[in-house]
Amino acid sequence: DVKVTQSSRYLVKRTGEKVFLECVQDMDHENMFWYRQDPGLGLRLIYFSYDVKMKEKGDIPEGYSVSREKKERFSLILESASTNQTSMYLCASSLSTGGATEAFFGQGTRLTVV
Amino acid sequence: GEDVEQSLFLSVREGDSSVINCTYTDSSSTYLYWYKQEPGAGLQLLTYIFSNMDMKQDQRLTVLLNKKDKHLSLRIADTQTGDSAIYFCAESISFFSGGYNKLIFGAGTRLAVHP
Repeated sequence: DVKVTQSSRYLVKRTGEKVFLECVQDMDHENMFWYRQDPGLGLRLIYFSYDVKMKEKGDIPEGYSVSREKKERFSLILESASTNQTSMYLCASSLSTGGATEAFFGQGTRLTVV
Repeated sequence: GEDVEQSLFLSVREGDSSVINCTYTDSSSTYLYWYKQEPGAGLQLLTYIFSNMDMKQDQRLTVLLNKKDKHLSLRIADTQTGDSAIYFCAESISFFSGGYNKLIFGAGTRLAVHP
């Protein structure tokens, strides 16, 4: 079974803290993604990575950075957490193919910034 | 630009058919997907369709694609209470010629099935 594991299901952090969200996949997928999910807005892409050390900004990268030092691990970093970053964060991974590709999602991390 | 739009809610009676609609803007999308999210879970792929197809059927699911209008729909026949979930439409956008794709999702349609 393909597994995408996010390190925490729930996190509570204080405003101004540096926050690390970790994601690990075990299927040797090239692509990895970080989304945030908010009611009525669906999934919005924050960053994605198509290879080790490679990253591209998504639609809402402001206030976030990412790190991909190893193929299986993709970290999302909130440099200085703010209350408007309270959200559900979803990590996903997929193979690079020329055809249809299924993205596999983790269970999500619900982050609350107080 | 890349944008995917869906209505936010749909309520149906158990046993009826559900139709969830989606529009997208990027005409270069090669594949379009439907994902399902059950409460407290991540998303799971339900089905997908290649952009040169009009229709795809998979048991109770029928996907219709109107490429001219950039309209995608998902029909669930004989809807059951277990189908209650959020359904996301997504388009796949090629990032590089090397086959890297990124997925752009709609806001999700919450399907409520009542007796």
